[in-house]
Amino acid sequence: KQEVTQIPAALSVPEGENLVLNCSFTDSAIYNLQWFRQDPGKGLTSLLLIQSSQREQTSGRLNASLDKSSGRSTLYIAASQPGDSATYLCAVRTITDYKLSFGAGTTVTVRA
Amino acid sequence: GAGVSQTPSNKVTEKGKYVELRCDPISGHTALYWYRQSLGQGPEFLIYFQGTGAADDSGLPNDRFFAVRPEGSVSTLKIQRTERGDSAVYLCASSPTGGLNTGELFFGEGSRLTVL
Repeated sequence: KQEVTQIPAALSVPEGENLVLNCSFTDSAIYNLQWFRQDPGKGLTSLLLIQSSQREQTSGRLNASLDKSSGRSTLYIAASQPGDSATYLCAVRTITDYKLSFGAGTTVTVRA
Repeated sequence: GAGVSQTPSNKVTEKGKYVELRCDPISGHTALYWYRQSLGQGPEFLIYFQGTGAADDSGLPNDRFFAVRPEGSVSTLKIQRTERGDSAVYLCASSPTGGLNTGELFFGEGSRLTVL
């Protein structure tokens, strides 16, 4: 069974600092990995999808890397803003399955 | 529609009652998923539909939970004899393809269920 871990569980940084969020997974035979953002009381918004053949994906200030062999992904958010405050979730799909396995998320607070 | 729509957004019920939660996926998406999220946790898989059929219902916690998708579009999650432990946010997601080619999942806002 795929286990997904996100460290740290919570993070507080001053505005302008770069954010580094970590995700690790136990089964490296993955099909893809997806990063989501969740605001309090809201659903999940997809940020980036990385296929297993890719090493990274970028969208604006967001960059996600994938190291499949070591079972790790990192989400980088450059020049953080208070509006980036949210919970960030990592989800992985293994090659023999079609459902996403989620981590518990990292809750980010960006202080103005 | 433009996105995945879930109703109701909030539902408060009493222990022992029956509840239905509805999900309207993005038009044309063949794959539909139900997840459950408890406070401070990541979403947990409940059931997956490919078209009208439930391809995988291994995440349903017990036989009080049931879901249907009769026409391959809208899905309803049904919970009988609700218990306080059923309180959670129920999330629906859809994807343009299914099976082992499933790509990006798009989630709705969720239905928050509170069982008193």
